[in-house]
Parts: sequence; structure tokens; C-alpha cells
Amino acid sequence: DTAVSQTPKYLVTQMGNDKSIKCEQNLGHDTMYWYKQDSKKFLKIMFSYNNKELIINETVPNRFSPKSPDKAHLNLHINSLELGDSAVYFCASSLVRNTIYFGEGSWLTVV
Amino acid sequence: DAKTTQPNSMESNEEEPVHLPCNHSTISGTDYIHWYRQLPSQGPEYVIHGLTSNVNNRMASLAIAEDRKSSTLILHRATLRDAAVYYCILTQGGATNKLIFGTGTLLAVQP
Repeated sequence: DTAVSQTPKYLVTQMGNDKSIKCEQNLGHDTMYWYKQDSKKFLKIMFSYNNKELIINETVPNRFSPKSPDKAHLNLHINSLELGDSAVYFCASSLVRNTIYFGEGSWLTVV
Repeated sequence: DAKTTQPNSMESNEEEPVHLPCNHSTISGTDYIHWYRQLPSQGPEYVIHGLTSNVNNRMASLAIAEDRKSSTLILHRATLRDAAVYYCILTQGGATNKLIFGTGTLLAVQP
């Protein structure tokens, strides 16, 4: 069983489109995250939710909107996609102050 | 946030021990030292963490200098599967809600 699962794994889309990446964790964790890894391999936190409440919102364009319908899910919706949004997006989860478990990533390519 | 410095890359031979260094000269008294690794095309995974004392687990050992300004991740017998980017990360008070990844060390393992 995959602990943190993301869909889709690969996504190719045109500039200007709106897309979503879904994430689910079956670990019973109360905190979920979205990280972005750019083409230079830098891995940076975007958002963090604890018990469905946004607790970290790094400097991310408003076109990115996370949504947490429940503690086990954190989806990432991106509006008006731009070329610079091409990256690998990792979902992760943890208990507060505990080990973070990452998903396998969603490769987004904007053309 | 306190910064860590790691070599960009290292090489090892299979079945031999590997010592991956990390400098963190501005570490504060409550900063924990975490190590994560990222295998090719996968999300980061937790390796080990510690505060002051050396730590061992099934994956690796963590040796922390007495002044805590540096630490070393030790893989006792490298395998091809250990080829990855290894990240040394400091967390304030052990809080893992905002891991700040640096560039890490790319470990190559030769057969």
C-alpha cells in the first residue's frame, strides 16, 4: 500500500490551462504538504496544512490554490498555467514535529 | 534558519563504508540534525536524525561532533541502491513542518 499517493504521476498541458494534482495519505497523519522541485533540483516547500487548516503558505503565486477536504487529502489546483510552473510537485505528510513521508511526485510539463 | 554545507558530490565503491559530511557552524542549541535522501525519480525519504548523541538505525548511523558544528552520515556498506542525493537539514526544536532543503550531496556508488 502506498502511504502517500499522488495523481497524476505525469501531466503535460498547455499554457493557460487549469489543472489539479490530487494527494492522499493513509498514514493517519494530521499534517500535509506540497513541495516543488524545479529544473535545477531545488526542493522548496509551498504549503502546509494541519488538520485541514493552512499553516504555511510560502511565497507562491495566487494561481496555486491548495484544498484540503479532510485530513487525508490535500489537492493542488493551478490556474492559468505558465511555462515556469513546469516542475515536479511532491505531496508529503507527517504527524506534527515528526518524520515527513513524501509521495513519488507529479511531473508537470507546461508547453 | 541555520544553514548547512555539504559537498556537491561523492563517490563510493559498493560494499564499502561511506561517510557523508555536513557542516552547520551556526547551529543553535535546539536545532535537530535531519538527513533525508532522494533516489532518482523518487520523493525524498527520511534516513535519520539526532540532537547531540550519535544515532544508529537500520539504514545508517549519524555521528555528531561534540560542538555540534558538524555531523557525518555513515552508510556502513554502500549498495547500488544507495546512490542518491543526501540532504542534511536543521530543524528548530525538531519541528519538521518546514524542511529547508539545500543542494545536498550526490552520492555515486560504483560496482
